[in-house]
Amino acid sequence: AQSVTQLGSHVSVSEGALVLLRCNYSSSVPPYLFWYVQYPNQGLQLLLKYTSAATLVKGINGFEAEFKKSETSFHLTKPSAHMSDAAEYFCAVSDRNDMRFGAGTRLTVKP
Amino acid sequence: EAGVTQFPSHSVIEKGQTVTLRCDPISGHDNLYWYRRVMGKEIKFLLHFVKESKQDESGMPNNRFLAERTGGTYSTLKVQPAELEDSGVYFCASSGSNSGNTIYFGEGSWLTVV
Repeated sequence: AQSVTQLGSHVSVSEGALVLLRCNYSSSVPPYLFWYVQYPNQGLQLLLKYTSAATLVKGINGFEAEFKKSETSFHLTKPSAHMSDAAEYFCAVSDRNDMRFGAGTRLTVKP
Repeated sequence: EAGVTQFPSHSVIEKGQTVTLRCDPISGHDNLYWYRRVMGKEIKFLLHFVKESKQDESGMPNNRFLAERTGGTYSTLKVQPAELEDSGVYFCASSGSNSGNTIYFGEGSWLTVV
């Protein structure tokens, strides 16, 4: 069985501040890990993915995530938040057959 | 190349009516998935097709939901009769050997039952 846990359903940062969204996973096989973003009234957009290559994965819009097997974590970071980053972010784990999502973290960016 | 497409994008129906959602996966993708997000809660897995066969339908909530994928191409998800708690966003996704096992999502079908 596989699952992900996202710590914090809501995160608020100031514009220009560091963004850190936490994700821990559980998987019985080496996992594929993903971060998706959903902007208001839009679909799911893939931000980045880890598929057992480099542990530090760079995605779109300046986001990156680091796979840490010892901590079973795949936290999402961005050095400097923009107002346009306000959205809901989902961590997901796949065992190559299907995908399971975390509950989501809503990111608010204050001016 | 076209992505995963879903129709309708938005639907408003009355309780007790029937709605059919359609998903066209990326061409060549054998795997097709349905997920839904109800009332701002987490995204829940519904079922997984491999070609025309149901690989895993453990997430289907009850027998009011029927998914089909005739011919292994597009898929439909029918809700009959619809209930208020079925309101939410229904996402379709697909993957295949030519996508590096990345699952690609459609824009979602937003269903409101009134």
